[in-house]
Amino acid sequence: KAGVTQTPRYLIKTRGQQVTLSCSPISGHRSVSWYQQTPGQGLQFLFEYFSETQRNKGNFPGRFSGRQFSNSRSEMNVSTLELGDSALYLCASSLNPGTTEAFFGQGTRLTVV
Amino acid sequence: KQEVTQIPAALSVPEGENLVLNCSFTDSAIYNLQWFRQDPGKGLTSLLLIQSSQREQTSGRLNASLDKSSGRSTLYIAASQPGDSATYLCAVSGVDNQGGKLIFGQGTELSVKP
Repeated sequence: KAGVTQTPRYLIKTRGQQVTLSCSPISGHRSVSWYQQTPGQGLQFLFEYFSETQRNKGNFPGRFSGRQFSNSRSEMNVSTLELGDSALYLCASSLNPGTTEAFFGQGTRLTVV
Repeated sequence: KQEVTQIPAALSVPEGENLVLNCSFTDSAIYNLQWFRQDPGKGLTSLLLIQSSQREQTSGRLNASLDKSSGRSTLYIAASQPGDSATYLCAVSGVDNQGGKLIFGQGTELSVKP
């Protein structure tokens, strides 16, 4: 059974650009959530989707957005990139939000220069 | 607002030692608590999930306990090995419409010396 797949694994972008990250959950999982990990702030919740609906959103500016498709795949977008957006972005999938085990992908390492 | 704290931040032990990692949370209204392992630059690997109605879970050399009323969980690692060296994170999930949101501690960086 394939795990959570995140693409791309590495990205280098310039300040002001935008970026789209992709996450394919484990087959059958309908809940997808995104997290930002930085050395200073640790793991912080970005947003969560279930059956194509955003259920929760973390305390991030509106430049951070996401969506989920009918096949449960999810994308997150960051516009007008800032140096501080450099981080490891992690996606997690689960059968049902909160009540079942969450499985994480390998992450996308974003570097903004 | 839920806050999760992990103590110690770093731990170095000789191979073969048994050890305990601690996790505390401020709000006992949780669905479950999950322990993860993270190797440098990698994603998170799920180790154990404890539902709020459970007291402990075991997997191989790992045993996790949960005391929801006191807001505490421990991860016990028996007979530690150098391959156990990693950062260990605990996370709690909220209830109702907060269920899909995991709140993480800052992690405990474990080093097991041969």
